[in-house]
Amino acid sequence: EAQVTQNPRYLITVTGKKLTVTCSQNMNHEYMSWYRQDPGLGLRQIYYSMNVEVTDKGDVPEGYKVSRKEKRNFPLILESPSPNQTSLYFCASKRQGVYEQYFGPGTRLTVT
Amino acid sequence: EDQVTQSPEALRLQEGESSSLNCSYTVSGLRGLFWYRQDPGKGPEFLFTLYSAGEEKEKERLKATLTKKESFLHITAPKPEDSATYLCAVQGTGTASKLTFGTGTRLQVTL
Repeated sequence: EAQVTQNPRYLITVTGKKLTVTCSQNMNHEYMSWYRQDPGLGLRQIYYSMNVEVTDKGDVPEGYKVSRKEKRNFPLILESPSPNQTSLYFCASKRQGVYEQYFGPGTRLTVT
Repeated sequence: EDQVTQSPEALRLQEGESSSLNCSYTVSGLRGLFWYRQDPGKGPEFLFTLYSAGEEKEKERLKATLTKKESFLHITAPKPEDSATYLCAVQGTGTASKLTFGTGTRLQVTL
């Protein structure tokens, strides 16, 4: 089954404790992206990757890092999480040359 | 900067009561306008892509239309299973595939 998977689905952590949210897709898509969703603000792009070893900032990159060492994986790293990073995070992917993006199931992160 | 505004924020319909959701947008060169459905606790599910004014797409009880300034998602004779949040997004030229989303319309269909 073609899908985007994220782990963990739920995470509660404390300020300053480094964490990684994984994202994997099995569709051989070149493009991958991370979004966060907050009430009243909609989905906002954090980082994106056009292909392996090619990443760039989205609209809200502060406090986040990403890497793209393999085509299928695009982890999101929070080196020192803060309470304002409490949010619902989505990974998305798409094939180069088409516009439709496919989203993962989401990771609900709470930073206390 | 690309912008998307959706209205209404929330809509409650009775089963069979048709209505429309609105998505107004400003974008520097439209590559595509997208409609997604999002169920509670799940990721957005792709519904439609519209590329140019005058285009229409249909899927079951849903029909999406596009003008130069807005898009409508028409829901004909809705059923309770159509209850969800409907998200509109645009992709402009020169944005490296970034989607700009609206905040969504939360639709509830009751018996």
